[in-house]
Amino acid sequence: DSGVTQTPKHLITATGQRVTLRCSPRSGDLSVYWYQQSLDQGLQFLIQYYNGEERAKGNILERFSAQQFPDLHSELNLSSLELGDSALYFCASSPAGGNSGANVLTFGAGSRLTVL
Amino acid sequence: DAKTTQPNSMESNEEEPVHLPCNHSTISGTDYIHWYRQLPSQGPEYVIHGLTSNVNNRMASLAIAEDRKSSTLILHRATLRDAAVYYCIRTGGGSNYKLTFGKGTLLTVNP
Repeated sequence: DSGVTQTPKHLITATGQRVTLRCSPRSGDLSVYWYQQSLDQGLQFLIQYYNGEERAKGNILERFSAQQFPDLHSELNLSSLELGDSALYFCASSPAGGNSGANVLTFGAGSRLTVL
Repeated sequence: DAKTTQPNSMESNEEEPVHLPCNHSTISGTDYIHWYRQLPSQGPEYVIHGLTSNVNNRMASLAIAEDRKSSTLILHRATLRDAAVYYCIRTGGGSNYKLTFGKGTLLTVNP
């Protein structure tokens, strides 16, 4: 158990639907990162939040959005789902905001999304 | 663009040392070298990181070349549980910090 909790573990839904993935960071960590892992794209960075504020943005689609709440948990919202959105979605957390290259991430076990 | 180059796959025998190479010839002076691994059906797991000097921890050792253009992750005695994809990542700091994963090296450990 890494200390980063992701729910749900598995999710099956239909195209056009909307889902929310939830992440609770490790105790004491202020930053949350979201990654998408698909078979053809590998691990892709989506977005980072630090203490409630968006810190960095990667290859996140406009149909996707995220936020970090005052209790530091984060949610990734995926809407108008397409077949290609089927993937593993990982959340990671770190103590700091990522200003140092020494920043170490702790990953959760992931949420597997299947879009039919 | 992961900015590192690793072999696609490597094979090792159980209880033997494993040396996983990584090339990062365009590394800048402030970039750290991180290694993560991903076991089957799990999230990535931090292994080790370093800047200039060699580093050791309970999981592995990291040997960094003097010119910092390459590094080697050393697993001293491979076990079956070490079978995973190993990612070598260079990270900078500042507002552009993020871990960019490449394809990594798939390590197979033979019993």
